[in-house]
Amino acid sequence: DIQMTQSPSSLSASVGDRVTIICRASQNISRFLNWYQQKPGKAPKLLIYATSRLQSGVPPSRFSGSGSGTDFTLTVNSLQPEDFATYYCQQTYTTWTFGQGTKVDIK
Amino acid sequence: QVQLQESGPGLVKPSETLSLTCTVSGDAISTYFWSWIRQPPGKGLEWIGYIYYSGSTNYNPSLKSRVTISVDTSKNQFSLKLSSVTAADTAVYYCASLGVDTTMDSYYYYIDVWGKGTTVTVSS
Repeated sequence: DIQMTQSPSSLSASVGDRVTIICRASQNISRFLNWYQQKPGKAPKLLIYATSRLQSGVPPSRFSGSGSGTDFTLTVNSLQPEDFATYYCQQTYTTWTFGQGTKVDIK
Repeated sequence: QVQLQESGPGLVKPSETLSLTCTVSGDAISTYFWSWIRQPPGKGLEWIGYIYYSGSTNYNPSLKSRVTISVDTSKNQFSLKLSSVTAADTAVYYCASLGVDTTMDSYYYYIDVWGKGTTVTVSS
């Protein structure tokens, strides 16, 4: 299986901050990488697919994704109160696997 | 937009079979791929498998020997069966629809719409 490792596992930030979450694959997954946001007690929500394509309704001014191969990044610009959540990356190159999650909480 | 609702027993005994159903509304099931994902308490997400409405499936190899996903187009539902369960199978189980982007050089799948999730506890 391809292992997905996210860093950091958690971070504290303030409203207005820029946040960067890294997702590293144990082998080359090209651009088969998705990002999800999950709030407590809720189902995850798709943010980005194919590394950098924003799901409909996701504000492009705040969320962006980049990378290829084994290293990927989710960037949240100007963090808003509704962005405090846990973020997961997922590879769909083969036998889909998720990262362990990155919890973003309020500083 | 498609909506999904999981249903099934919230408590299953060890060694028995977990059975869940996902009811699809807002669109025909013969349109998309359909998937199950689970999340143990306080932990991350695990993909279980997916099915196309035609019946073709793809399962997580770590669960493949115990998992069956099926679709009932007449009822607009798809189902999950997980046999020989243990406490490690205790989780919130989500059903979901898959999207696929074919505009680039390959088929890029993603989990598009999620159900609210249903908690299944394995305990005697």
